[in-house]
Amino acid sequence: DTGVSQNPRHKITKRGQNVTFRCDPISEHNRLYWYRQTLGQGPEFLTYFQNEAQLEKSRLLSDRFSAERPKGSFSTLEIQRTEQGDSAMYLCASSFRGEALGYTFGSGTRLTVV
Amino acid sequence: GESVGLHLPTLSVQEGDNSIINCAYSNSASDYFIWYKQESGKGPQFIIDIRSNMDKRQGQRVTVLLNKTVKHLSLQIAATQPGDSAVYFCAENNFNKFYFGSGTKLNVKP
Repeated sequence: DTGVSQNPRHKITKRGQNVTFRCDPISEHNRLYWYRQTLGQGPEFLTYFQNEAQLEKSRLLSDRFSAERPKGSFSTLEIQRTEQGDSAMYLCASSFRGEALGYTFGSGTRLTVV
Repeated sequence: GESVGLHLPTLSVQEGDNSIINCAYSNSASDYFIWYKQESGKGPQFIIDIRSNMDKRQGQRVTVLLNKTVKHLSLQIAATQPGDSAVYFCAENNFNKFYFGSGTKLNVKP
C-alpha cells in the first residue's frame, strides 16, 4: 500500500489520559500535515512539517497537543490530558513540496474520549 | 481566518440525473481550489481542482465552475451514480494548507 497510513484507526480513551497517533506518509513526500475533523464539519488544519521541521501550528493546537516528525518520515501526534472536546477524527495528509495535486489524505484516526 | 461555506447541507438526486453542489468562499486572494469527496470512514479524496485564472475545468463526469466575481464554486456531477453518494467538500489552498467548508452530503436514490 503506497498511500498515507494512519494508526490506530480507532481509539477510545478515558478523559485525562494521554494518546498518541501515528502517520506514515507517502515515502517520497516531504510535507506532512495534520488536520482535525469533527462530525459534520470539514477538516481543520492543525500543523504541518517539511521534512523534520514543524513550520506552522494552528491556534487550534493547544499546549496539550504536540506533533513530531523526528526523521522526516513518519509523524506522531500526542494529546495529553485528553478532554471530551478532543473527540474527533484526526487526519494526516502528505504532499511533495506543497504541490496540491499530490496532496493525499490518510483514512484518519477516530478518537473518542469518554 | 478564511471561511469556506456551502449553500446546502444535503442534496438528494435520482440515479442518472446531474448533481450540482455549490460552495462560497470569502478570501478573494485564494488562487487554488479543490473539491474533495469523503466516504464514510475514509479520508477526503481528490476529485478535481481549479486555479483562479480559470473559470471552468472538466474531468471525467465532473466539472468545476469558478466565479471569482461572487466568490462561488460549483461542482457538477454528470449522470450521478450510487457510488457518488458521499460528503463533498470544497477547499481553498492558502499558504500550503487547505481551508475546508462544512460539506454537502449527496444522496443518490436508485
